[in-house]
Amino acid sequence: ETGVTQTPRHLVMGMTNKKSLKCEQHLGHNAMYWYKQSAKKPLELMFVYSLEERVENNSVPSRFSPECPNSSHLFLHLHTLQPEDSALYLCASSQSSGLNTGELFFGEGSRLTVL
Amino acid sequence: GENVEQHPSTLSVQEGDSAVIKCTYSDSASNYFPWYKQELGKGPQLIIDIRSNVGEKKDQRIAVTLNKTAKHFSLHITETQPEDSAVYFCAAKGFGNEKLTFGTGTRLTIIP
Repeated sequence: ETGVTQTPRHLVMGMTNKKSLKCEQHLGHNAMYWYKQSAKKPLELMFVYSLEERVENNSVPSRFSPECPNSSHLFLHLHTLQPEDSALYLCASSQSSGLNTGELFFGEGSRLTVL
Repeated sequence: GENVEQHPSTLSVQEGDSAVIKCTYSDSASNYFPWYKQELGKGPQLIIDIRSNVGEKKDQRIAVTLNKTAKHFSLHITETQPEDSAVYFCAAKGFGNEKLTFGTGTRLTIIP
């Protein structure tokens, strides 16, 4: 496989469920990201991991919990979500060099519906 | 923080005509401006980018222009084709900042 792979592509969950989104990148990049994409809104950065260290957390509710076990894998653990959390969750990777972040390579996204 | 505004939100053009999408940004320190294309069911993909030391950049039918004084930049697609139909996002980022701030997107439809 090449590029950035996200699973599952579609997920429906109740507000009391616990689920996880998985992302894997095969590009040798050192930074990985989670974005939330909602209709008619800008792409919203949720989390950034650079060299497996979290460098940004844009005040995301604690019901979203990221995990980056190594530079190729990124997870987003979900629990007690709200209906307004329904969105497309995009994973991306890039090659960061010092203070300069390179091109973002996105996966195809995980479409989440919270009932 | 940075704020990026993008217009129009939807755009329909006849095949073969040109399409222009415009963005403005608020942070004068921003120095990197990429454009991403998102096809249906896919993630966004970089199509062209420009840095603040350049006023214009072309890649075949696609061009981007940057006006640092006015803090706006534009995407130009010439000789449009059906495969250009997609959602296009502009973005801006400052040096040393991991965060890319995106616009709200433009849904471009090419009419055959």
